[in-house]
Amino acid sequence: DIVMTQSPLSLSVTPGEPASISCRSSQSLLHSNVYYSLDWYLQKPGQSPQLLIYWGSNRASGVPDRFRGSGSGTDFTLKISRVEAEDVGVYYCMQGLQTPRTFGQGTKVEIK
Amino acid sequence: EVQLVESGGGLIQPGGSLRLSCAASDLSVSDNYMNWVRQAPGMGLEWVSGIYPGGSTYYADSVKGRFTISRDIAKNTLYLQMNSLRAEETAVYYCARDRRVYDRSAQAYYYYGMDVWGQGTTVTVAS
Repeated sequence: DIVMTQSPLSLSVTPGEPASISCRSSQSLLHSNVYYSLDWYLQKPGQSPQLLIYWGSNRASGVPDRFRGSGSGTDFTLKISRVEAEDVGVYYCMQGLQTPRTFGQGTKVEIK
Repeated sequence: EVQLVESGGGLIQPGGSLRLSCAASDLSVSDNYMNWVRQAPGMGLEWVSGIYPGGSTYYADSVKGRFTISRDIAKNTLYLQMNSLRAEETAVYYCARDRRVYDRSAQAYYYYGMDVWGQGTTVTVAS
């Protein structure tokens, strides 16, 4: 199974400041030399997860442009340019390359 | 509006069985790759099972042989039959759709993330 490792596991951010989350996979997530099969999800308190980023860097429909995904191979990053109060929750990376799908441990983002 | 609504959760004794349902609106469960994902209390997300449009099924090792994913085309509903349940399988169970798009040049389906999720149904395994 592909192991996904996130860091940090928690983050406390001042509104308006940037935030960055790292995700590392145990093997390359390159699919057919076309795209990296790496998603980012946000689970807000009391809600279901929602897709933020697919292919490592493509924002899902309706996702604000302050969210930016990047990376390649086995190393990926989610950056929030200016954190807002509505961004609190737990962020997960997930690989969609192989079955079983595997998630990172999650990164809890709080507002200072 | 595209929507997934789970049901069927509840309190069940260890060793018991339960069938979860996921009713879909504006989305065909038979034309999409569908997943079950669970989340134990205070824990992270864990993929449980998936089913392809063609009918192929996949399971996490931890549930293989005990859980069965299926669908009813007429009811447009996804199911998860769970047998021999264990206390550690207490969790919220979500169904989710893979967005997949056919690329003609590559003659292949490309994966675009799990873009539709239900609200979840809670399963509690306890005596």
